[in-house]
Amino acid sequence: DVKVTQSSRYLVKRTGEKVFLECVQDMDHENMFWYRQDPGLGLRLIYFSYDVKMKEKGDIPEGYSVSREKKERFSLILESASTNQTSMYLCASSFRNEQFFGPGTRLTVL
Amino acid sequence: AQKVTQAQTEISVVEKEDVTLDCVYETRDTTYYLFWYKQPPSGELVFLIRRNSFDEQNEISGRYSWNFQKSTSSFNFTITASQVVDSAVYFCALSVYLSSGSARQLTFGSGTQLTVLP
Repeated sequence: DVKVTQSSRYLVKRTGEKVFLECVQDMDHENMFWYRQDPGLGLRLIYFSYDVKMKEKGDIPEGYSVSREKKERFSLILESASTNQTSMYLCASSFRNEQFFGPGTRLTVL
Repeated sequence: AQKVTQAQTEISVVEKEDVTLDCVYETRDTTYYLFWYKQPPSGELVFLIRRNSFDEQNEISGRYSWNFQKSTSSFNFTITASQVVDSAVYFCALSVYLSSGSARQLTFGSGTQLTVLP
């Protein structure tokens, strides 16, 4: 079974803090994605990566950056967290047109 | 640009009723994939089905069935004899290649919250 894990299920941070959300997949997938999920908006793509050290912006990259130093790990970085980044963050990896999702991290920025 | 519309925000049914979740999509691509995902209260997205744009055959899996109609750009999902465990948010999604061509992007609908009452 494909396993996508995220470092935290719940996270509470303060405005202005630097936040790291980590995602690891164990199936050697090349493509990895970060989404945020908000009520009434579904999932929206923040960034994705199609190879180590490669990244592309998704639909809502503002306020975020990413890092992919190793194939299995894809990190989402909030350089200076703001309250409007309170959301559920979902990581995914893909193989043959199917995306496999992690359990999500619910981030609250106070 | 791609778009997926799930017009039903919330649906409530009583156990054993049939329920259909609607999904309408927009894309200019001729090759694309459509998906349904289930998100139970635990939060993890569970893959239900994938269809490619060249395969309009309807599919049945147990109590689940899917009706793909290219003519109306719809990919509807029906649960027969619903059960309380079917209560979840259901997302329809469309997959096309990103403009860079480097990977496929999933565009999600806003989701339908299904509540099945005992």
